[in-house]
Amino acid sequence: DAKTTQPNSMESNEEEPVHLPCNHSTISGTDYIHWYRQLPSQGPEYVIHGLTSNVNNRMASLAIAEDRKSSTLILHRATLRDAAVYYCVGHGSSNTGKLIFGQGTTLQVKP
Amino acid sequence: NAGVTQTPKFQVLKTGQSMTLQCAQDMNHEYMSWYRQDPGMGLRLIHYSVGAGITDQGEVPNGYNVSRSTTEDFPLRLLSAAPSQTSVYFCASSSLGRLNTEAFFGQGTRLTVV
Repeated sequence: DAKTTQPNSMESNEEEPVHLPCNHSTISGTDYIHWYRQLPSQGPEYVIHGLTSNVNNRMASLAIAEDRKSSTLILHRATLRDAAVYYCVGHGSSNTGKLIFGQGTTLQVKP
Repeated sequence: NAGVTQTPKFQVLKTGQSMTLQCAQDMNHEYMSWYRQDPGMGLRLIHYSVGAGITDQGEVPNGYNVSRSTTEDFPLRLLSAAPSQTSVYFCASSSLGRLNTEAFFGQGTRLTVV
């Protein structure tokens, strides 16, 4: 199973970019890198995923290292509503859909 | 489009009682799973299913049973509740066969065992 390591917490100022790092050195060649976030008192919600190249969507960007052992979730302009726990999620072995959650990074956004 | 629906939202049990947490999805997803989240922790996988009639254990399966008689429903049964099972429980579903698909989570069931 692919395990992930993230910093426990990070702070950002409102409307500034935020870079959330993740190490996933045991990732296999076919595992996608997924990011989810969890707002207070809610279930996790999907943010973005990628395999090898950088990815963009309306919520965020994902920069994946060339060796795929690490990735960075980029929020281009943090808002107060982005305060949440962000999880870089690994996959269980074989194509079962299993998601392996680490401890996540708690992002605080200051006005 | 309801997505993943969990019931109840809150539940208090006495030690030794049994109960079933319900989870239903309307997206025709093959894969469903149950997680528990203890205070300040990430999610830990309890049981999962890759389709009707097929279930398997996750990281912390002891004290829980599951069944998958239909694609839509994946109930989690607590056989004899213990205070250590006080937690928030999340159900998730996703389309199987493609690791590049997103998972959808329910809003959670907050369970307290006294």
